Amino acid sequence: EIVMTQSPATLSVSPGERATLSCRASQSITSKLAWYQQKPGQAPRLLIYGASTRATGIPARFSGSGSGTDFTLTISSLQSEDFAVYYCQQYNNWPRTFGRGTKVDVK
Amino acid sequence: QVQLVESGGGVVQPGRSLTVSCAASGFTFSHYGMHWVRQAPGKGLEWVALIYYDGRDKYYADSVKGRFTISRDNSENMLFLQLNSLRVDDTAVYYCARWGISADHDALDIWGQGTKVTVSS
Repeated sequence: EIVMTQSPATLSVSPGERATLSCRASQSITSKLAWYQQKPGQAPRLLIYGASTRATGIPARFSGSGSGTDFTLTISSLQSEDFAVYYCQQYNNWPRTFGRGTKVDVK
Repeated sequence: QVQLVESGGGVVQPGRSLTVSCAASGFTFSHYGMHWVRQAPGKGLEWVALIYYDGRDKYYADSVKGRFTISRDNSENMLFLQLNSLRVDDTAVYYCARWGISADHDALDIWGQGTKVTVSS
């Protein structure tokens, strides 16, 4: 199965600053990558699919890039509601697999 | 509005079985593939299974293959996950989620609130 490796495990950022999260696949997944946000006690929410397409209603401060094995989620200016855990997920191969997540907390 | 509501979780002994359900509303359920994803306490997300819109194709994580069965009833807008031969490490919140983007992108666009399954003697 494809292993998704996210880094860092925790990212401490001040409100208004830029956050850059990384996700690496153990083999090429073309652009079949999604990003999700999860807040404590809530279900995950889809942010990005196709590596770079924002899902419906997702603010423009969220952007995704990459293809093949290396991907990035960028939050251009962190808002208070953006402090959460972020997961990447590949949907190019079976079984589908998630990364272990990056927690974005307040610096 | 588009909604998924899981039910059927609970406490069950190792080796026993349980079926969790997901009721869909606000969209044409029979047009969408559906996923199950689980999250063990304090851990990350683990994809469990997917079923195509018509129920003909199903895929499973290696950790549950042969023990769990995904199914659906399009006439009742219901999704199911039968969990057999349960183990302590199956303890998790089980989420259902919709394959909602396109045929080429089975990202999970709508999620339920989850149902908690605890496997313990």
